Amino acid sequence: QVQLQESGPGLVKPSQTLSLTCTVSGGSISSGNYYWSWIRQPAGETLEWIGRISISGSTNYNPSVKSRVTMSIDTSKNQFSLRLDSVTAADTAVYYCARDPGDTGLDYWGQGTLVTVSS
Amino acid sequence: SYELTQPPSVSVSPGQTASITCSGDRLGSRYVFWYHQKPGQSPVLVIYQDTKRPSGIPERFSGSNSGNTATLTISGTQAVDEADYYCQSWASSTWVFGGGTKLTVL
Repeated sequence: QVQLQESGPGLVKPSQTLSLTCTVSGGSISSGNYYWSWIRQPAGETLEWIGRISISGSTNYNPSVKSRVTMSIDTSKNQFSLRLDSVTAADTAVYYCARDPGDTGLDYWGQGTLVTVSS
Repeated sequence: SYELTQPPSVSVSPGQTASITCSGDRLGSRYVFWYHQKPGQSPVLVIYQDTKRPSGIPERFSGSNSGNTATLTISGTQAVDEADYYCQSWASSTWVFGGGTKLTVL
């Protein structure tokens, strides 16, 4: 059973960089033709897809954050990461990582981690 | 940018059929996916590629997609089905989510 776990600081100051890591267990991040996605959800609001990365490093980013986001993948650690620059209070949300087979939906999700942007 | 529109709320009596719609321009030409999310929990995929159920999802969940509207149908709705439901589709190399529908079973 594939499991995903987000980790990273729960508090980030405005204008600084948000960095999160998703650790995949129960299977190799390199196996299968998967993308690995990041999604966020502000309190009481809908889900917003941030972007995804493939094992080859190919990325797709949401235009709403494209200028500020970088994703990377580390197969040796079975992890993939999110970096969001120049954060504001509007970036405060629960951040989820998920497995993204591409055409069958986001089938495995992490439990989510709350990131608050505040001074 | 592409938009998916859902009703904010739907109410249903236990044992009845609940229908949640998701509208978008020519949505029928794209695959639609549905998730439910209970408070404090992560979303769970309940329908993929318009009509298919992942392993472990009860048969009472079904989906359809035609024209500009996709529909998630829950037959014989149970109290445990009370949750927020989100539709999702792929457009312009981006995953797009609907605004979500709160399903109340009362």
